[in-house]
Amino acid sequence: GQSLEQPSEVTAVEGAIVQINCTYQTSGFYGLSWYQQHDGGAPTFLSYNALDGLEETGRFSSFLSRSDSYGYLLLQELQMKDSASYFCAVRPMDSSYKLIFGSGTRLLVRP
Amino acid sequence: DADVTQTPRNRITKTGKRIMLECSQTKGHDRMYWYRQDPGLGLQLIYYSFDVKDINKGEISDGYSVSRQAQAKFSLSLESAIPNQTALYFCATAGGRATDTQYFGPGTRLTVL
Repeated sequence: GQSLEQPSEVTAVEGAIVQINCTYQTSGFYGLSWYQQHDGGAPTFLSYNALDGLEETGRFSSFLSRSDSYGYLLLQELQMKDSASYFCAVRPMDSSYKLIFGSGTRLLVRP
Repeated sequence: DADVTQTPRNRITKTGKRIMLECSQTKGHDRMYWYRQDPGLGLQLIYYSFDVKDINKGEISDGYSVSRQAQAKFSLSLESAIPNQTALYFCATAGGRATDTQYFGPGTRLTVL
């Protein structure tokens, strides 16, 4: 089966850098995605890693290491509006366009 | 206008009632999904569809049914609602072979009393 593990909560200070980890157990997958969800809102796509390495999109970066079964989302220059839940997701190779989501990490940014 | 819409946005109903949640999209995507989210938890896949003639069960399909009336419309039904189906329900769409990215609707908050 497939499973993704994330820390349940992370707290950081405005202006700081925070890393949200995602470790997974899956036999094979096409890529690792990250989604952001504010309280009461819908998940929105943030980033995607098809290959190992770092992908940068503005203040957000995402990293994947298939050999270590590990990925992370890096948020820089934290802003209060970054307080939200962050989910990693994979599309297993046997799943035909289904995504398996982690349980999410709630990020609280403090002043 | 939003690309993925869901109706209703909020619904309170009683145990045993039949409920239909509707999803429409203007993105032209062929793939559509229904998810359930419980407080503090991730997204669980209920059903998904790759085109009008293709319907597939997800992880938690028991107690739910779906209908893909057109490429743009995908409805979720609870034939006889029960309290543990109280949750936030999201519809999502995706398109193109080269991408996994899903686009979510605003969600429907369902309460079953």
